[in-house]
Amino acid sequence: DADVTQTPRNRITKTGKRIMLECSQTKGHDRMYWYRQDPGLGLRLIYYSFDVKDINKGEISDGYSVSRQAQAKFSLSLESAIPNQTALYFCATSSRSSGRYNEQFFGPGTRLTVL
Amino acid sequence: DQQVKQNSPSLSVQEGRISILNCDYTNSMFDYFLWYKKYPAEGPTFLISISSIKDKNEDGRFTVFLNKSAKHLSLHIVPSQPGDSAVYFCAVSGNTPLVFGKGTRLSVIA
Repeated sequence: DADVTQTPRNRITKTGKRIMLECSQTKGHDRMYWYRQDPGLGLRLIYYSFDVKDINKGEISDGYSVSRQAQAKFSLSLESAIPNQTALYFCATSSRSSGRYNEQFFGPGTRLTVL
Repeated sequence: DQQVKQNSPSLSVQEGRISILNCDYTNSMFDYFLWYKKYPAEGPTFLISISSIKDKNEDGRFTVFLNKSAKHLSLHIVPSQPGDSAVYFCAVSGNTPLVFGKGTRLSVIA
């Protein structure tokens, strides 16, 4: 079984809809991250959480919100989806016990299309 | 401004030869450097890393070199194999979460 799972794997939605992407992990890691990948732009950080009570904005947080429901679960919401949020979304985890050097473990990704 | 630059979007190499992927960074406060590999329809996977106290780290066919004065790191793959065909991201870390480059697509031709 995968250590980091993301649901759904694919989603097509319409402009203005609210969308939630979910991430769960069984690695026991305390830190979780959400990234988006766009062609030619690499991976850009949306939000990150170092523990359940600690949520931080990343490089491109506008239009997104997150919820850390438990150490193992980190959800990303698009309150009102727009077409330029069409992208591949990745969840990742890391462990503070490995130091601040952030070797991150990624989920398989969610492909989101906003029409 | 990009903090991490991978200036070659793509690279083609013949099987058995050396692949060299390059990465430049701008902030001398970064002190840990990683390479990730990504296949289509999968998440990135960690490949190899190096801390700023070293200038070389080797793991099998993969070697990462760090030149701190030039703010440059490179990944060498020797010998290259068709299964190495993927997108490679370099990532850097300081007191913040990882910052990724845009990636280089490596194609190893049999």
